[in-house]
Amino acid sequence: GAGVSQSPSNKVTEKGKDVELRCDPISGHTALYWYRQSLGQGLEFLIYFQGNSAPDKSGLPSDRFSAERTGGSVSTLTIQRTQQEDSAVYLCASSPSPAYTDTQYFGPGTRLTVL
Amino acid sequence: QKEVEQNSGPLSVPEGAIASLNCTYSDRGSQSFFWYRQYSGKSPELIMSIYSNGDKEDGRFTAQLNKASQYVSLLIRDSQPSDSATYLCAGRFYGNNRLAFGKGNQVVVIP
Repeated sequence: GAGVSQSPSNKVTEKGKDVELRCDPISGHTALYWYRQSLGQGLEFLIYFQGNSAPDKSGLPSDRFSAERTGGSVSTLTIQRTQQEDSAVYLCASSPSPAYTDTQYFGPGTRLTVL
Repeated sequence: QKEVEQNSGPLSVPEGAIASLNCTYSDRGSQSFFWYRQYSGKSPELIMSIYSNGDKEDGRFTAQLNKASQYVSLLIRDSQPSDSATYLCAGRFYGNNRLAFGKGNQVVVIP
């Protein structure tokens, strides 16, 4: 079946602009995660959605970052007033449930470059 | 101490040899561990998952979990050039919704 999809695959923006990144999880997966990976860094957790529960926003680095998940499916990560340090690959993952043993399947990522 | 740590530095192995990767973790309340492979410019893909003490084998890959010593390892037997990639160790800990990742180990298989 179809995997996690993300769009756009690449985004170049100017400092101070807002950007929206989209994630479409695997059909039927209730848990959705956003991570980012900077050059030479490990994967950094950003936010987690599970069903209709309140999201876990504990990983968002600043109030310029926000995310929503509509209808328990598609998610959008928004970065306002982008800064150069926001340049990274933003990865979305989904899992069938929030169970600790469930595998998180990653999408292809969105490479964000802030000039 | 970071939650999940992987020793740094690339690992070069000749084709056909065994590649051994190690990962340590700090939280005894760990629940599950995952090894992901990441090719350059690509996203992570799952290689192995392990939840119980002991060994778990899948083809040329063997994952080992030792909860008493708080380490996880991955063995790649009969290494192939296609195994050249970065291997990420990740743990899922009680009370956390996220995976905690190590920084990864680069493996280079030399033909």
